[in-house]
Amino acid sequence: DIQMTQSPSSVSASVGDRVIITCRASQDISNWLAWYQQKPGRAPRLLIYAASTLQSGAPSRFSGSGSGTDFTLTISSLQPEDFATYYCQHTNTFPPRFTFGPGTKVDIK
Amino acid sequence: EVQLVQSRAEVKKPGESLKISCKTSGYSFTNYWIAWVRQMPGKGLEWMGGIYPGDSDTTYSPSFQGLVTISADKSTSTAYLQWSRLKASDTAIYYCARRGSTWYIEDWGKGTTVTVSS
Repeated sequence: DIQMTQSPSSVSASVGDRVIITCRASQDISNWLAWYQQKPGRAPRLLIYAASTLQSGAPSRFSGSGSGTDFTLTISSLQPEDFATYYCQHTNTFPPRFTFGPGTKVDIK
Repeated sequence: EVQLVQSRAEVKKPGESLKISCKTSGYSFTNYWIAWVRQMPGKGLEWMGGIYPGDSDTTYSPSFQGLVTISADKSTSTAYLQWSRLKASDTAIYYCARRGSTWYIEDWGKGTTVTVSS
């Protein structure tokens, strides 16, 4: 089974900072990767899919890159509403299986 | 607008059975996979399994195979997650979610909190 890891597990940052979160797959997953944001008490929200495609409605300060085994989520200028936990997720096509990374918590410095 | 409305919070005792629901609207229920995702207190997201309501094809994570059952009712556009014998370790929030045309989970219910305690 494919395993997903993320680093760091948490990061403290200030409004306006550039934040980079990395995700690594245990084997080549091409670009089958998504990023989700989850705020406390809320369901997750899809931000990026296919490694680098911005989901409709997601702010343009979020961007994704990578392919194969190494991926990054970048928040170009952290906003107050961005303090949350971010998960990477791999999916395959059929049958659909979803593997989440352990999450990265972004909190206020 | 796609909506996934989940059933209310449940408090159960170990050994009891439970079936929670996810009523959908705003899209063709039979044409998209529904996934169930667990989030234990203070922990991350775990995919449990899913169902394609069009033909009731189901798939489970090895971690949950045999422990839960996923089903769907096309007549009411509702998906279900059930346990035959709950354990305290089943205490968690359970989300239903829809795999969209992007192939990723695009829409989520608000979650059903299940508390299992004697």
